[in-house]
Amino acid sequence: AQKVTQAQTEISVVEKEDVTLDCVYETRDTTYYLFWYKQPPSGELVFLIRRNSFDEQNEISGRYSWNFQKSTSSFNFTITASQVVDSAVYFCALSRRGSQGNLIFGKGTKLSVKP
Amino acid sequence: DAGVIQSPRHEVTEMGQEVTLRCKPISGHNSLFWYRQTMMRGLELLIYFNNNVPIDDSGMPEDRFSAKMPNASFSTLKIQPSEPRDSAVYFCASRPTGGTDEQYFGPGTRLTVT
Repeated sequence: AQKVTQAQTEISVVEKEDVTLDCVYETRDTTYYLFWYKQPPSGELVFLIRRNSFDEQNEISGRYSWNFQKSTSSFNFTITASQVVDSAVYFCALSRRGSQGNLIFGKGTKLSVKP
Repeated sequence: DAGVIQSPRHEVTEMGQEVTLRCKPISGHNSLFWYRQTMMRGLELLIYFNNNVPIDDSGMPEDRFSAKMPNASFSTLKIQPSEPRDSAVYFCASRPTGGTDEQYFGPGTRLTVT
């Protein structure tokens, strides 16, 4: 069975702190994709990143970075120097390659960044 | 390019009424997904289409829910009759042809059934 676990329900930090959102997944597939989505208070779901199961290189995009470790089945997301605009619910998701795009979402982590 | 378009953005209706939610996917995307989001259950996939054909509707909660995709640029999700427990945000998402599975979501329709 496929499953995505985001154990942190809510996180609160003060602006400029670094914060890491955890994501642990379960799958028996050898080929899969992992994703992160952001849902700001306005409600829309915004695609942030996709990672192929064959590519374990970490990725950095501005203040965002992602750490993918197959050995621990984790795909963690770090925001460096957090800002109030980062306040949102963040979802981790998993899909099986060739599954025609069926995504399995975690329950989400609500991040609050206070000024 | 325009993103996924959903209408209406908000819908308030009385129990027993028919509700129709609409979605226009991103041009060129060949897969379309309907999700429901509630506090209790999170994001749930209701149904998805590939090339206008329903592939998996196992997430549709009951026969009161139906979805159609008459062409590549339009889909509807209908609830008849609606019940208070259907209150949720309904998202439509589309996926590019030959893509790598990322889905692009519309702004959602917030449905309230009183």
